[in-house]
Amino acid sequence: DAGVIQSPRHEVTEMGQEVTLRCKPISGHDYLFWYRQTMMRGLELLIYFNNNVPIDDSGMPEDRFSAKMPNASFSTLKIQPSEPRDSAVYFCASAKTYNEQFFGPGTRLTVL
Amino acid sequence: DQQVKQNSPSLSVQEGRISILNCDYTNSMFDYFLWYKKYPAEGPTFLISISSIKDKNEDGRFTVFLNKSAKHLSLHIVPSQPGDSAVYFCAASARYAGGTSYGKLTFGQGTILTVHP
Repeated sequence: DAGVIQSPRHEVTEMGQEVTLRCKPISGHDYLFWYRQTMMRGLELLIYFNNNVPIDDSGMPEDRFSAKMPNASFSTLKIQPSEPRDSAVYFCASAKTYNEQFFGPGTRLTVL
Repeated sequence: DQQVKQNSPSLSVQEGRISILNCDYTNSMFDYFLWYKKYPAEGPTFLISISSIKDKNEDGRFTVFLNKSAKHLSLHIVPSQPGDSAVYFCAASARYAGGTSYGKLTFGQGTILTVHP
């Protein structure tokens, strides 16, 4: 298995633009998680899905952030409009059970 | 509210010596704890875990200790190797707390471990 796949690996955009991050989880995994990593706050859970259904989105910072999982093999995290404070590394992870989450390589987002 | 805290941002040890990484938590509902390792430009990878019914779990050079009364856990690496140099994250889960807690991990801020040859 290729593991969790994220695209793009790097994204540089200007303030106000829409940003879409993509994730393909490991086949057979029922859980999908979106995290954000910053120096100040470490790894923060933004939202997670179970069987394609959003379970907990309490970590989503504000309405500018949205996430979807249209099927078991694809999820997106969208930021519209983007702001400089959104600059961070965004990780997607998937899991078959709650015990062990497998992380993708991350997307480094820079908003100018 | 930081429910999982790693108070040491960094740790430096000599190759062959013991590395001890510490983690404190505040939520008494946490019953499962994990350590992840992260190399630059890669995602975190699972290292070792422990359930709250145990106080120790060992896997090769890695041992995790849990002190529930102190709400403290630690990761011991013996002997430390230069390839262990990475960021280590502590994570905790409240599997049976109900609601949306099932499946959710709360991470600490990470500790940068550097092992010198």
